[in-house]
Amino acid sequence: EVQLVESGGGLVKPGGSLRLSCAGSGFTFTTYKMNWVRQAPGKGLEWVASIRGSHGYIHYADSVKGRFSISSDNAKNSMFLQMNSLRAEDTAVYYCVRESFDWLAFDYWGQGTLVTVSS
Amino acid sequence: QTVVTQEPSFSVSPGETVTLTCGLTSGSVSTNYYPSWYRQTPGQPPRALIFSTNIRSAGVPDRFSGSILGNKAALTITGAQADDESDYYCVLYVSGGTYVFGGGTKLTVL
Repeated sequence: EVQLVESGGGLVKPGGSLRLSCAGSGFTFTTYKMNWVRQAPGKGLEWVASIRGSHGYIHYADSVKGRFSISSDNAKNSMFLQMNSLRAEDTAVYYCVRESFDWLAFDYWGQGTLVTVSS
Repeated sequence: QTVVTQEPSFSVSPGETVTLTCGLTSGSVSTNYYPSWYRQTPGQPPRALIFSTNIRSAGVPDRFSGSILGNKAALTITGAQADDESDYYCVLYVSGGTYVFGGGTKLTVL
């Protein structure tokens, strides 16, 4: 069974940093492209970043480019999101999401971890 | 900048058919955008419904179907049920390996 478990969320002051983790199980990490998708309270979904484990192909949304950094540890089936220079508008639930092997779409989602940026 | 549009809200009576759409503020949605659809209930993560325009995710009933209608992607729910009441999101794969979500449609079944 595919499982994705996020951790590392919490309260941080504007300008601060936070590192999110995603632990995957039930599949081989290196085979799939992994993503972070976020959802601000009461708002819609926003794709944030992606990484393909075996090749390290990395992409970012313009809203986080230069501030966030995505990485993975394939040996541990884990993905990370280093978030720097955090702003109030980064407040959201951050989901770890697997991209389907066959389709350009998201087939499995974690439960999410809440990041709150507030003074 | 790519902006994806969805109806903010939609209401349907039980048993009726409803079609939600996913468009672009500039240009037309085609299969080349690999439109996919997700539903989300409060407090839960989204769940996949449709991949690549019209491929149903595992376990999704055939009441849910995807298509291209005119210049938009569409999600059709045939015979709406009370538990179809959810937020529905589309997402498009755009150039450079990035995705853009629509703003979501809140579907009410009453």
